[in-house]
Amino acid sequence: GAVVSQHPSWVICKSGTSVKIECRSLDFQATTMFWYRQFPKQSLMLMATSNEGSKATYEQGVEKDKFLINHASLTLSTLTVTSAHPEDSSFYICSARRRRLAGGPAGELFFGEGSRLTVL
Amino acid sequence: QKEVEQNSGPLSVPEGAIASLNCTYSDRVSQSFFWYRQYSGKSPELIMSIYSNGDKEDGRFTAQLNKASQYVSLLIRDSQPSDSATYLCAVIQGAQKLVFGQGTRLTINP
Repeated sequence: GAVVSQHPSWVICKSGTSVKIECRSLDFQATTMFWYRQFPKQSLMLMATSNEGSKATYEQGVEKDKFLINHASLTLSTLTVTSAHPEDSSFYICSARRRRLAGGPAGELFFGEGSRLTVL
Repeated sequence: QKEVEQNSGPLSVPEGAIASLNCTYSDRVSQSFFWYRQYSGKSPELIMSIYSNGDKEDGRFTAQLNKASQYVSLLIRDSQPSDSATYLCAVIQGAQKLVFGQGTRLTINP
């Protein structure tokens, strides 16, 4: 399967600071990257969809000014949690979709390893 | 109605038996369906994708899709303790958005 690398895998920060998480597709070009958040014992909740070279599309209830997403290239997207608070503590997971083949179905989604954020 | 629904479990199956996981979805025009496995504290791992009605087999795993009933399932044959995990059903809605069910927690008992 395709490889998606996410960094850092875990981070602890003080309340009020900002944290950046990187997501890279290592062996394929990702036309679209997605950012999910998962709280304990809950499923993945989509935060935003990021297309290379354009602004991210945020899901309802997700603050775009708090969760800054940049998708500068076909292999890299970043999520910055600004002015983090304890309630932002969660498991953040990125995923990348391989470029779709002509006439084919939407490409499979591959996940990064996840980044566990703890805000003190 | 949730967009993707799964029984949260837990589902307990004896080792060697068949585990059957079910999922229904609400968007009738959805065309792409996936099963992911997630171990505790880890990110999801793709197990199967299915796009056409019928069965798709890969090793011990069989995915089944019935678009008329808006139903997709995953069968795991010869269940092993290492199959114990949460299984997430996911459906692509619209052009690209992947929506997950709440997941079914599966335990294989030795």
